[in-house]
Amino acid sequence: DAKTTQPPSMDCAEGRAANLPCNHSTISGNEYVYWYRQIHSQGPQYIIHGLKNNETNEMASLIITEDRKSSTLILPHATLRDTAVYYCIVSRSGGSNYKLTFGKGTLLTVNP
Amino acid sequence: NAGVTQTPKFRVLKTGQSMTLLCAQDMNHEYMYWYRQDPGMGLRLIHYSVGEGTTAKGEVPDGYNVSRLKKQNFLLGLESAAPSQTSVYFCASSSGLAGGFTSSGANVLTFGAGSRLTVL
Repeated sequence: DAKTTQPPSMDCAEGRAANLPCNHSTISGNEYVYWYRQIHSQGPQYIIHGLKNNETNEMASLIITEDRKSSTLILPHATLRDTAVYYCIVSRSGGSNYKLTFGKGTLLTVNP
Repeated sequence: NAGVTQTPKFRVLKTGQSMTLLCAQDMNHEYMYWYRQDPGMGLRLIHYSVGEGTTAKGEVPDGYNVSRLKKQNFLLGLESAAPSQTSVYFCASSSGLAGGFTSSGANVLTFGAGSRLTVL
């Protein structure tokens, strides 16, 4: 699986957009980008995933560059409850082996 | 709909004691997983199961055993606990192999709230 690189921490003001970057320069054509987040002392929670097109759901937007070597998770109006560790994961679809590895992620702190 | 439930939430053991963590899911998911999370580290996969009666090793399986006798339950056992097994343990489940896709969409993981284990 492609390796991902994320900044260890970021800050964002409440009500502003939070843009979390992820570098996955070795991604291959059949690998998807997933984002999960983990609020303190809770289990991780799925946010969004994408292949090459930009994706949006009720939680966030995912922007994947045209060459697919990087992506950005956007929380449009961050709240204090969005303070969490955000994990960017690249995973291959199909196959019979388990392929979803969580790294250290980015700690996003939303400040009042 | 409870999702994924882990018991117990907290446990303190002495070195050499044994215990079992229980994970139960009510979503009829085929796949279940046990992770551990240590301070400053991401989640590491211990064992997983692709269906009732099956188990497979993950990244860090040593010192743990698992069983999946019923589809809805996945048990993680420590036969002889060691201080190095002090950690927070998370169980997760998914309808298909995590990271893969079915006709219903992406096989995303649903996690439990975690079980904090301390081994003295």
